[in-house]
Amino acid sequence: EIVLTQSPGTLSLSPGERATLSCRASQSVSSSYLAWYQQKPGQAPRLLIYGASSRATGIPDRFSGSGSGTDFTLTISRLEPEDFAVYYCQQYGSSRFTFGPGTKVDIK
Amino acid sequence: QVQLQESGPGLVKPSETLSLTCTVSGGSISSYYWSWIRQPAGKGLEWIGRIYTSGSTNYNPSLKSRVTMSVDTSKNQFSLKLSSVTAADTAVYYCARGGGRFDPWGQGTLVTVSS
Repeated sequence: EIVLTQSPGTLSLSPGERATLSCRASQSVSSSYLAWYQQKPGQAPRLLIYGASSRATGIPDRFSGSGSGTDFTLTISRLEPEDFAVYYCQQYGSSRFTFGPGTKVDIK
Repeated sequence: QVQLQESGPGLVKPSETLSLTCTVSGGSISSYYWSWIRQPAGKGLEWIGRIYTSGSTNYNPSLKSRVTMSVDTSKNQFSLKLSSVTAADTAVYYCARGGGRFDPWGQGTLVTVSS
């Protein structure tokens, strides 16, 4: 099983600031099969990024993903009020898909 | 625009079988993988398994002995059965399109295991 670790656990920032979220895998993620999701309270997760760096349909370009192997990053270039949420990374490069524990981005 | 909706009992007794159905609207269920994912209150996400419209399945090894998934293409639905449930199976259960990355998701349904 590939274990994903996300850091920091909580990120306190102000609107307009840049957010950098990290996801580290216990072993290399095949073919960069790494996705990022956003979840707001009471809602289902929403796919933001797949293939480590491809934005899903309708996702604003302030969201970007990068990385390969075991280290991946989600960057939100300028936080909008609607971006304060929990973010999960997920790998689908092995036969057992796993999620990270999440990073909460809250308002400072 | 494809939409998914979970349905099923919100309360299941310990040792019994949890049964949920996901109805797909706005598009065909054919030629896609479909997955179930769950989330205990205040916790993270756990992938339960996936099914292709041919009926081929892959399950999370941690749940494999208790999980059965099926698909009914005539109704544009797929289903989850989880047997021998305990309180640890209490969670919001989501259905989603995809066999790797998941998009879109249903709104989720809370299933509580309690006597």
